[in-house]
Amino acid sequence: KNEVEQSPQNLTAQEGEFITINCSYSVGISALHWLQQHPGGGIVSLFMLSSGKKKHGRLIATINIQEKHSSLHITASHPRDSAVYICAVRGAQKLVFGQGTRLTINP
Amino acid sequence: DTAVSQTPKYLVTQMGNDKSIKCEQNLGHDTMYWYKQDSKKFLKIMFSYNNKELIINETVPNRFSPKSPDKAHLNLHINSLELGDSAVYFCASSQDLGGGYTFGSGTRLTVV
Repeated sequence: KNEVEQSPQNLTAQEGEFITINCSYSVGISALHWLQQHPGGGIVSLFMLSSGKKKHGRLIATINIQEKHSSLHITASHPRDSAVYICAVRGAQKLVFGQGTRLTINP
Repeated sequence: DTAVSQTPKYLVTQMGNDKSIKCEQNLGHDTMYWYKQDSKKFLKIMFSYNNKELIINETVPNRFSPKSPDKAHLNLHINSLELGDSAVYFCASSQDLGGGYTFGSGTRLTVV
């Protein structure tokens, strides 16, 4: 079993829907990252969290350290949000990645 | 101005060859990384350097050798390439071990 598990693995939704992607981890961490990988392959760092909640535009990330769980929410989703979203946790000096969630937003 | 740049973007080569991938960052970050993304899109750390010093060396074959001439550069040299080395290799940097990451655009290596 992977140290970082994401769900769902694939998600298809209609434009405008509220999207939630979940990440659970089993190791002690100092921070959790949410990354976005575009269809072209580039990776962009969206958030780095160690507690609470962060918001950037239509994206919201939350983390519950006690439950070892984080969620990434997208409000008013748009086709340009279609990408793979990757959760990664920082343990001792290195990032451990989840398997990614492939999000497709249809117009 | 690209923050983390990798070259080449694509690399097709025959089994047994030796090849290098270069990475440079202009962010002034202290720490640089190499990650491998396999065919299932799973990312895994290979190496990490902090101020030119190797701090993470995962269980990567000895055919892979990172070299950091200065803290802005981290190159990856691969000897005797094998079919299983085909993957996308990402370089990244962060200000320190606890900072946010900036990724390069990736190098797609195909070994034939």
